[in-house]
Amino acid sequence: NAGVTQTPKFQVLKTGQSMTLQCAQDMNHEYMSWYRQDPGMGLRLIHYSVGAGITDQGEVPNGYNVSRSTTEDFPLRLLSAAPSQTSVYFCASSYSNRNEKLFFGSGTQLSVL
Amino acid sequence: AQTVTQSQPEMSVQEAETVTLSCTYDTSENNYYLFWYKQPPSRQMILVIRQEAYKQQNATENRFSVNFQKAAKSFSLKISDSQLGDTAMYFCALMDSNYQLIWGAGTKLIIKP
Repeated sequence: NAGVTQTPKFQVLKTGQSMTLQCAQDMNHEYMSWYRQDPGMGLRLIHYSVGAGITDQGEVPNGYNVSRSTTEDFPLRLLSAAPSQTSVYFCASSYSNRNEKLFFGSGTQLSVL
Repeated sequence: AQTVTQSQPEMSVQEAETVTLSCTYDTSENNYYLFWYKQPPSRQMILVIRQEAYKQQNATENRFSVNFQKAAKSFSLKISDSQLGDTAMYFCALMDSNYQLIWGAGTKLIIKP
C-alpha cells in the first residue's frame, strides 16, 4: 500500500520561480489537505478539498493554488516563490472531512533563496 | 479563537521509564476531538491516539494513554515503558466544529538508552 505519496522530497527554488508539489493517495479518500510546518510552530492548513472539483482555503492560503480534478491527486502550486515560503510541506488525506484519522505523506522540504 | 499549547519544547527520559507530555487547549465548543500525533525522524506523521470530548473515559492504545481533564482543558499523553522508537516530535491537535485541526507547536521527546 503506497498510502499518501508526495514528490519531490526536497526542492530549492529561487525567488520568483514557480513549481508544483505533487500529492497522490491510493486509498480512495475524499478529503485531502496541504499543511506547512515551520520551526517552533504547529502545522498550518494551506488549502483543503472535500472531494473532486471542490477546494477551499485554510489558514494560510496566500501564494498557493490548488486543484482537485481527480479523487487521487491534489497538487499544490507555488505561483511566485518567496523566502517566506521556505518550509516543510505535508499532504494529508482521510476518508471524510471529519479528520478522524489523517494519513500523511512524508513531506517536501522546500527552500526558497 | 481556539488554541492548543504544548508547554514543553523538549523532554528526555531513560528507556523503560514513563513520560508524560502536556497539552492544554482553549475552545468554547462542547463537542470536539483531541489527537496526539507522532512525527519520527522520517518526518511522516502518525496518529497515536484520539479522544472524543463527550467520552469521560480516557483513551488508551497499548503503552499510550491520555489524561483528559475537560474542565481544565488539559489533554496529556502518557507513554509507559518508553522505547527508543518512541523518540520523535509529538503534536497535540484539536478538531473544531468545522472539522479543521488546530495544532500545538510540538514536544521533542528523546528516549535515551
